[in-house]
Amino acid sequence: AQSVAQPEDQVNVAEGNPLTVKCTYSVSGNPYLFWYVQYPNRGLQFLLKYITGDNLVKGSYGFEAEFNKSQTSFHLKKPSALVSDSALYFCAVRDGNNFNKFYFGSGTKLNVKP
Amino acid sequence: EAGVAQSPRYKIIEKRQSVAFWCNPISGHATLYWYQQILGQGPKLLIQFQNNGVVDDSQLPKDRFSAERLKGVDSTLKIQPAKLEDSAVYLCASSPGGLAIYEQYFGPGTRLTVT
Repeated sequence: AQSVAQPEDQVNVAEGNPLTVKCTYSVSGNPYLFWYVQYPNRGLQFLLKYITGDNLVKGSYGFEAEFNKSQTSFHLKKPSALVSDSALYFCAVRDGNNFNKFYFGSGTKLNVKP
Repeated sequence: EAGVAQSPRYKIIEKRQSVAFWCNPISGHATLYWYQQILGQGPKLLIQFQNNGVVDDSQLPKDRFSAERLKGVDSTLKIQPAKLEDSAVYLCASSPGGLAIYEQYFGPGTRLTVT
């Protein structure tokens, strides 16, 4: 069974518009959830994480994500997209009952057009 | 602070040959990870070290892959013999401690092409 799913291979949005990159997960226990970004020719960079507490977490570069336990989702959002946000975004989850298990999604390519 | 260092950045070998990748994590980081990222896919965790001990290697193809982290600092990942399907980017990452809450810091990766 897939542990983390990013249903969209690509998301296109106009600069200045809000963006959402979707992520759903399937692991046991209370998950630890992460978003990473990969710019062209650069390594993966951490954006934000949910461990516990407030369901809305804020991260780098104006990004935020909302943890929804009932829908097992952790969607990445930004109120106003920038062209420079164009990159590959990965959702990742650590199994809440077995911390040694850590899974990345397949990635979503975000294209922000001027 | 210096980031995670990896070498070489690129490697081309023929199938059945051997190859080794090196990783130097961020100073003081106790946990080290090796991932395989095949083109178009997300990274797949191969092995996780806590200091110099292995905490999970369930997805490491042990018939051909091996990894070690001597003295709890640098790490080496080896493939012997390589297959065509091993063509991928091999990523090394580190995190400050053993707790699951920590995010990971990634190196630039080694792109392996097996011909």
